[in-house]
Amino acid sequence: NAGVTQTPKFQVLKTGQSMTLQCAQDMNHNSMYWYRQDPGMGLRLIYYSASEGTTDKGEVPNGYNVSRLNKREFSLRLESAAPSQTSVYFCASSESWTAGNTIYFGEGSWLTVV
Amino acid sequence: GESVGLHLPTLSVQEGDNSIINCAYSNSASDYFIWYKQESGKGPQFIIDIRSNMDKRQGQRVTVLLNKTVKHLSLQIAATQPGDSAVYFCAEPIIFGKGTRLHILP
Repeated sequence: NAGVTQTPKFQVLKTGQSMTLQCAQDMNHNSMYWYRQDPGMGLRLIYYSASEGTTDKGEVPNGYNVSRLNKREFSLRLESAAPSQTSVYFCASSESWTAGNTIYFGEGSWLTVV
Repeated sequence: GESVGLHLPTLSVQEGDNSIINCAYSNSASDYFIWYKQESGKGPQFIIDIRSNMDKRQGQRVTVLLNKTVKHLSLQIAATQPGDSAVYFCAEPIIFGKGTRLHILP
């Protein structure tokens, strides 16, 4: 049982390049999330998908797009990467996004934009 | 806007002592809170949760206290061990605070 798996683990991009972070969970969870973590800023919610077929903006959605491909997979795309998007990105999932549901996190993807 | 925040960014505690990590929230309608632990290079992991109809909840060596009057919650770790070194976050439940780094002194 792998839990939440995200790829790639490390990536270096040039400004203006695009890339997609992939995420999959094998816990049959309904809800999935993308967070970014910067030093001193904690975890900030980028986008979430409460259930298959829906996506919603979180705290910091600008510069990102997401796709809930199916119940298992939730991808995060940077169309034109900027240095400000250098961060550690975490994908997560939970049975539901409402109260009482623990969020399970992947191991993180370290992205550097130069 | 609504936010979940922490009082102190870093806390240093002697091994064996008790640790108390604090968290303030601003949304009085919040009804569920979670504490997570994040070790270096890893994703956050669930520690303990509490609903707003409770004042206290205990786990193994951890206790969460909720004071709805002042919109404050705390995580208490008993007999702190080296393995407790990490960053601790409160979450509400999908919005996270900035975290407190716990250092264990030998």
